[in-house]
Amino acid sequence: GAGVSQSPSNKVTEKGKDVELRCDPISGHTALYWYRQSLGQGLEFLIYFQGNSAPDKSGLPSDRFSAERTGGSVSTLTIQRTQQEDSAVYLCASSLAAAYNSPLHFGNGTRLTVT
Amino acid sequence: AQRVTQPEKLLSVFKGAPVELKCNYSYSGSPELFWYVQYSRQRLQLLLRHISRESIKGFTADLNKGETSFHLKKPFAQEEDSAMYYCALSRGFGNEKLTFGTGTRLTIIP
Repeated sequence: GAGVSQSPSNKVTEKGKDVELRCDPISGHTALYWYRQSLGQGLEFLIYFQGNSAPDKSGLPSDRFSAERTGGSVSTLTIQRTQQEDSAVYLCASSLAAAYNSPLHFGNGTRLTVT
Repeated sequence: AQRVTQPEKLLSVFKGAPVELKCNYSYSGSPELFWYVQYSRQRLQLLLRHISRESIKGFTADLNKGETSFHLKKPFAQEEDSAMYYCALSRGFGNEKLTFGTGTRLTIIP
């Protein structure tokens, strides 16, 4: 079956513009995660969804970052007024249940470049 | 807060030699530990997890609570083991997110 799908795969934007990144999880997966991978860094947790609610938003770096999930499926990560330090690979993952008990299935990521 | 440390960014090993990828963590409770792997041009995927006590592709990892370590080992490296390896920690029941280390790029020299 299809895995986690992310779009676009690459995005180049000018500083100050808003961007939207999309994630389609595996069908039936209730948990959805967003991570960010900057050059030379590990995977930085951003936000976690269980169904449509986000019990843990602790990783969002600033109020310019927001995410939503609708219908227990597709999720959108929005970055407003992008800055150069936002340049990174944004990874989405989904799992059947909570991460401690169910493996995460990752997408290929969206590479964001802010010029 | 929990933290995962992978001290080696790069590791090169000859084919047939033993491999050990180091992972140390800081967390006062009883964590669940994982290893994720990303092969060239593939997605990040689960390699193995502590709770399963399994051996995948010849790799094993033992949780040492005294040393707070979860090192990944394989007795004889193969060329197809070349990849990026990430150690990850979950605080266990009731906690949903994984905390990842910075990763180790393993290169197997033919």
